Amino acid sequence: DVKVTQSSRYLVKRTGEKVFLECVQDMDHENMFWYRQDPGLGLRLIYFSYDVKMKEKGDIPEGYSVSREKKERFSLILESASTNQTSMYLCASKRQDVWNTEAFFGQGTRLTVV
Amino acid sequence: LAKTTQPISMDSYEGQEVNITCSHNNIATNDYITWYQQFPSQGPRFIIQGYKTKVTNEVASLFIPADRKSSTLSLPRVSLSDTAVYYCLVGRRDTGFQKLVFGTGTRLLVSP
Repeated sequence: DVKVTQSSRYLVKRTGEKVFLECVQDMDHENMFWYRQDPGLGLRLIYFSYDVKMKEKGDIPEGYSVSREKKERFSLILESASTNQTSMYLCASKRQDVWNTEAFFGQGTRLTVV
Repeated sequence: LAKTTQPISMDSYEGQEVNITCSHNNIATNDYITWYQQFPSQGPRFIIQGYKTKVTNEVASLFIPADRKSSTLSLPRVSLSDTAVYYCLVGRRDTGFQKLVFGTGTRLLVSP
């Protein structure tokens, strides 16, 4: 089974802290994604990566950065956490294939910024 | 990427067939249609994908008319465990769906 693992299920951080959310997948997938999910807003794409060291902005990249130094790991970084970044964060991975639309998601990290 | 429109919520009863329609008026020739399901406190899960006509798997059927401007996810004989949010996505085939863009989805509530 494909496994996408997010480092923490719940996280509480203080305003202004630098926050790292880690995601690891074990299926050698080329594509990885970070989303945030808020009530009434669905899933919104923050960043995605199509290969090691390659990244592209999604729809809401402001206040976030990402790192992909190894194929299996995709990190989301909140440079200076703010209360409006309190949310559920979801990581996903997918095989790079023009016929494939199946992404696998992690369990999510619920981040609270106080 | 083609914008999608789906109902915000739907209600059903156990044993009924549920059809959720997604509108994607500006779908392009190379676009695929994909549906995901999300249970509370979990990440979304892929259900089905299609390009045209009808696709069926062990979970659902996907109906796509000839003009492809809409699609309908059909869940046969739903149970309480089908209560979830269902997302319709449309993505460009020639980019390998590098950018999966979700909307707000349809919240399905199945009652006894």
